[in-house]
Formats: sequence, structure tokens, C-alpha cells
Amino acid sequence: GEDVEQSLFLSVREGDSSVINCTYTDSSSTYLYWYKQEPGAGLQLLTYIFSNMDMKQDQRLTVLLNKKDKHLSLRIADTQTGDSAIYFCAERGQAGTALIFGKGTTLSVSS
Amino acid sequence: DTGVSQDPRHKITKRGQNVTFRCDPISEHNRLYWYRQTLGQGPEFLTYFQNEAQLEKSRLLSDRFSAERPKGSFSTLEIQRTEQGDSAMYLCASSSLTYTDTQYFGPGTRLTVL
Repeated sequence: GEDVEQSLFLSVREGDSSVINCTYTDSSSTYLYWYKQEPGAGLQLLTYIFSNMDMKQDQRLTVLLNKKDKHLSLRIADTQTGDSAIYFCAERGQAGTALIFGKGTTLSVSS
Repeated sequence: DTGVSQDPRHKITKRGQNVTFRCDPISEHNRLYWYRQTLGQGPEFLTYFQNEAQLEKSRLLSDRFSAERPKGSFSTLEIQRTEQGDSAMYLCASSSLTYTDTQYFGPGTRLTVL
């Protein structure tokens, strides 16, 4: 069945790069997403990548997709304390429109 | 602000009571989704509408849950005879078929069942 897995925690120092990893199982996924959630808030869309792309860059964010290994990563350059949050990876298959989410990676940024 | 809005933001109720949540999607978005998120988990899909038609319901949506989108704009999610296990964040999202169907989320309604 469909499953999305992420490491649960990542701790970095301010100014360093953060890399959050995700693996998924549905090879028919058409879009893969990264959302950010701050405490008590909803989900903020950060970026997404179409399955026929290998990389997408958007300001400090770089998404890498290895479709063969079903591996997705989100790199945040020059990480700031305001980046501290939970980051969710999600996939969307061709058949349905429901997003399948991982459990989220808690990013902690220390100054 | 033209984002997704949800009301109320917080709801505390006693077990056995009925509760109703409202979601207003981004205007002109024809798809609307409900998800449930429990502590330490990612959101889980409940149901979605395309215009006023409810096209898909997950197995998580028990008989005590009902959702409507009567005019294809706002939507309501009702939970009857609430149980403590219903305590969660209920998230609404909307999307437009005309552009990548990307889902934008509202702030959520936090439900606590005592």
C-alpha cells in the first residue's frame, strides 16, 4: 500500500544547511510536496515537484527527487531560527487526489 | 486575505455531544478536502468534494461523521455523539483543478472531547 516515511527529528545550528529526507512507496505518484507546520497552526505549502523532474530550486529551498529509489529530500540553505517547525512530505498518486503524508520531521534550529 | 478559513479554531465538548465545523475555501477553488491530524502524526484524509459532490470518503469517516458542501462553496463537517478518540485537529484544504490541483490548507479546528 501507500506509505511515506520520514526521520522524526533534525537539529542544526543557525546558518547551517538542513536536509530533510523522505521515502515513498507509490511509484505512480505524480506530485510530491513539502509542507511546514508551526505549533498549533495549519500546514503551509513550501514547494512541490512533479514526478518527471529531478530537482527544483526556490530561493533557500532545493528539492531533489530520485524516482528510482523513491527518495525525496528538502534542503534549506542558511537555516534560521524561524525555520524551526515540523516538515511534512506528502505524495499524490494519479488515481486519487488525497494526499498521503509522512509523520513529519521536527526541525530544531539553535542559535 | 483570500486563504482557506476555518471556524471555530478551538472546540471543547463533552463526550456524546454533537459538533459542527465550517470551512471556507479559497474562492473559485472547486475542490475541498477534510483531513484529521492527531498528535505526532501527519494529516489523514477523510473526504473530498468537487463542487457540491462528495466524491470520496475514507474508511476513517465513520457513520458518526457527515460532511456537506451544499452550494459548492463552504463546507461543514459534523461529528455526532463525540468520543474521546475524536479529539484531533481537523484540517480543511482546497484546490483548483485548473492548476496542478495543489492543496492549500486552513489553520485547522482543534477539537477536545472531555
